[in-house]
Amino acid sequence: KNEVEQSPQNLTAQEGEFITINCSYSVGISALHWLQQHPGGGIVSLFMLSSGKKKHGRLIATINIQEKHSSLHITASHPRDSAVYICAVRSGWTGGGADGLTFGKGTHLIIQP
Amino acid sequence: DTEVTQTPKHLVMGMTNKKSLKCEQHMGHRAMYWYKQKAKKPPELMFVYSYEKLSINESVPSRFSPECPNSSLLNLHLHALQPEDSALYLCASSQEGPDTQYFGPGTRLTVL
Repeated sequence: KNEVEQSPQNLTAQEGEFITINCSYSVGISALHWLQQHPGGGIVSLFMLSSGKKKHGRLIATINIQEKHSSLHITASHPRDSAVYICAVRSGWTGGGADGLTFGKGTHLIIQP
Repeated sequence: DTEVTQTPKHLVMGMTNKKSLKCEQHMGHRAMYWYKQKAKKPPELMFVYSYEKLSINESVPSRFSPECPNSSLLNLHLHALQPEDSALYLCASSQEGPDTQYFGPGTRLTVL
């Protein structure tokens, strides 16, 4: 079973700051997901990446497959970025094809005005 | 349409009740998932349907019974639940393989 560790668990920052959230996992993977969950429960997929770097607006995700590590960066952070950010990898228990996700514990981010 | 819908939004049930949660998607995805999320915890995978074939998390109790009537629809039948089963139940769908998962808004279940 893949273990997924995230840090920090909680992060409070001022508006405009550069934010970094880290994720490490124990077993080699084909892809890693970054997701966002707002209060009330809705989960939105931000990125799925298997190598290198992806960028969407102010969000950047990077992954180092050899080191089993990924980071999510937020540039010019804004109070509306306040949410829980979760990294996830394939659970590995369907043996291939479609597979559910194993989630990290999440990072609770608060951006203060 | 990139939406996954779930009904009901909220459900309160007694331990002797039988109820069902419903999930629907019209994105042509052939994989659908049920997750359970307790407060302040990450979601935990319960079931996976791929091309309407079920894969089960062996730790999920038999009082939870999934059903996939067709590739667009996923149900979770609930029977004789316990108060500790109170949680947010999330449905998701994706294409086959390591693809982006689209989540529904969830059903918040309270068992009295």
